[in-house]
Amino acid sequence: GQQLNQSPQSMFIQEGEDVSMNCTSSSIFNTWLWYKQEPGEGPVLLIALYKAGELTSNGRLTAQFGITRKDSFLNISASIPSDVGIYFCAGQSGGTSYGKLTFGQGTILTVHP
Amino acid sequence: GAGVSQSPSNKVTEKGKDVELRCDPISGHTALYWYRQRLGQGLEFLIYFQGNSAPDKSGLPSDRFSAERTGESVSTLTIQRTQQEDSAVYLCASSPRTGFNQPQHFGDGTRLSIL
Repeated sequence: GQQLNQSPQSMFIQEGEDVSMNCTSSSIFNTWLWYKQEPGEGPVLLIALYKAGELTSNGRLTAQFGITRKDSFLNISASIPSDVGIYFCAGQSGGTSYGKLTFGQGTILTVHP
Repeated sequence: GAGVSQSPSNKVTEKGKDVELRCDPISGHTALYWYRQRLGQGLEFLIYFQGNSAPDKSGLPSDRFSAERTGESVSTLTIQRTQQEDSAVYLCASSPRTGFNQPQHFGDGTRLSIL
């Protein structure tokens, strides 16, 4: 089946630093999504990308849909303590597979004040 | 509330018992999804429902797992003869419908512990 490789697995940074994480896939996706999950809660959608090459921002977050459609990255600028959490990428194929999201293993982000 | 609601939030049961998990999607959302998240892992797709179409069950790990949905509202995920490896958080999501540009919105999950 489809596999997503997400890296890094964890990051420990100082408040104010920028963060970058990425996902790569062995197969093509039509949609890339980035979610954040905090303890005891479900994932919350941060950014959705629908077109190869697309670069989208949401406040301090920026994400890009890779040209090959097999990768995506998420950047967080000027990190703050409330950015702490687990960030997941997810890919969505087309056709009959539209209902299925394939998730990466997550990047655990710790921000030191 | 306006979001996806799941109950119970926590469930502890003995190995071999059956469990039922409930999901109330966002009102008006015709598509509903179930995922499993093991400790420290990403989410694994289990099943999704789109309107009155036959559900896509391709992610269910064994025949002990089943799910039903009443019309376009509540869904229940049933696990029969639970095993310890079934311990996980079970997450439900919904979207207006299945397809392009229909991001999935998640509930807070049911944390299932099998003793």
